[in-house]
Amino acid sequence: DTEVTQTPKHLVMGMTNKKSLKCEQHMGHRAMYWYKQKAKKPPELMFVYSYEKLSINESVPSRFSPECPNSSLLNLHLHALQPEDSALYLCASSHFGGINNSPLHFGNGTRLTVT
Amino acid sequence: AQKITQTQPGMFVQEKEAVTLDCTYDTSDQSYGLFWYKQPSSGEMIFLIYQGSYDEQNATEGRYSLNFQKARKSANLVISASQLGDSAMYFCAMRAVNYGGSQGNLIFGKGTKLSVKP
Repeated sequence: DTEVTQTPKHLVMGMTNKKSLKCEQHMGHRAMYWYKQKAKKPPELMFVYSYEKLSINESVPSRFSPECPNSSLLNLHLHALQPEDSALYLCASSHFGGINNSPLHFGNGTRLTVT
Repeated sequence: AQKITQTQPGMFVQEKEAVTLDCTYDTSDQSYGLFWYKQPSSGEMIFLIYQGSYDEQNATEGRYSLNFQKARKSANLVISASQLGDSAMYFCAMRAVNYGGSQGNLIFGKGTKLSVKP
């Protein structure tokens, strides 16, 4: 079983809907990530939170809004998405602190379909 | 610039045989880490093995080993005694310290789809 839990597993939403993806980890990690993965492609980094503060935003459109309420939770709020935003959204966490040997631990992902 | 190259889009292997998945990388950093992940069709990214740039011995984790050749900038994954459950996409990834002045992010290759035949 994965130690990073993502909900929901599947989400279908219209372009005018507002929805949220949720991610939770209890490994004491202080870095959390959102990745987007299109079919047959590698994951692409969207956001990085370090100690609950947004540290990296990879020029993601504002219709994606991340939130880190505490050290264990990470949300991704979705609004006015486009069909091309349909993808697998992966959450991950890792230790933080200038070390490069900490693997990212991923959740099972949320398969998002925008209609 | 940092880059990971996986030149094998797809690989086939007979069950119980060994298989090598290729990965080359490019970085100007002296300190970095190399990772392999497995992604089954279910979507989860599963961490398999890690190799540090200063590690002198090749990493091993059960049936997985990493053939690290620093001078050639390669970090190939070797899976011994392949099992049907090994069929999945495999990603090589790299993370460097102080990339862009902050902790490095994980950079992925394009992946290799491994199919194990019974």
